[in-house]
Amino acid sequence: KAGVTQTPRYLIKTRGQQVTLSCSPISGHRSVSWYQQTPGQGLQFLFEYFSETQRNKGNFPGRFSGRQFSNSRSEMNVSTLELGDSALYLCASSLNGSPDTGELFFGEGSRLTVL
Amino acid sequence: GENVEQHPSTLSVQEGDSAVIKCTYSDSASNYFPWYKQELGKRPQLIIDIRSNVGEKKDQRIAVTLNKTAKHFSLHITETQPEDSAVYFCAASKGNTPLVFGKGTRLSVIA
Repeated sequence: KAGVTQTPRYLIKTRGQQVTLSCSPISGHRSVSWYQQTPGQGLQFLFEYFSETQRNKGNFPGRFSGRQFSNSRSEMNVSTLELGDSALYLCASSLNGSPDTGELFFGEGSRLTVL
Repeated sequence: GENVEQHPSTLSVQEGDSAVIKCTYSDSASNYFPWYKQELGKRPQLIIDIRSNVGEKKDQRIAVTLNKTAKHFSLHITETQPEDSAVYFCAASKGNTPLVFGKGTRLSVIA
């Protein structure tokens, strides 16, 4: 069974640009969550999608957005990039999105560097 | 919302010794507490979890304890080995709310 796949793995952008990251969950998983990981800040929740609907949203500015397609694949977009957006963006999938009933399976992440 | 504090941020132990990482949470309604391990350059992976109706859970060399009254939970690793070196994250959630993670503990096991 294939794991969670994220693309691209690495990318470099300049301030003001926008970026789109992609996540393909484990087959059969309907929930996709996105986390931002930075040194010293741990994993900060961005948003969660379940059956193409955003079910939960973290405390990030509106520049961060996402969507989920009918095949459960998800994308997140960051517009007007800032230096502080440099981070590892992790996608995690689970069967139904309830952490207490299903393990989160993480992808290897997309490392974004903003210059 | 939920806030999870994790201590220490770094921990070095001699191979064979025990390691303890502690977390506190703020929302008394939280009922699920997993621990994830992230090796260098790898993805976080679940290693053990505990629910609020249980006080302790063990899996070979790792164990987790939960004190609901004090709102804290701990990860215990016994007989540490070099492959235990990683960053460990605790987390908390309730129902279908997203996991809120601590900031992580970098564990180094010195051979």
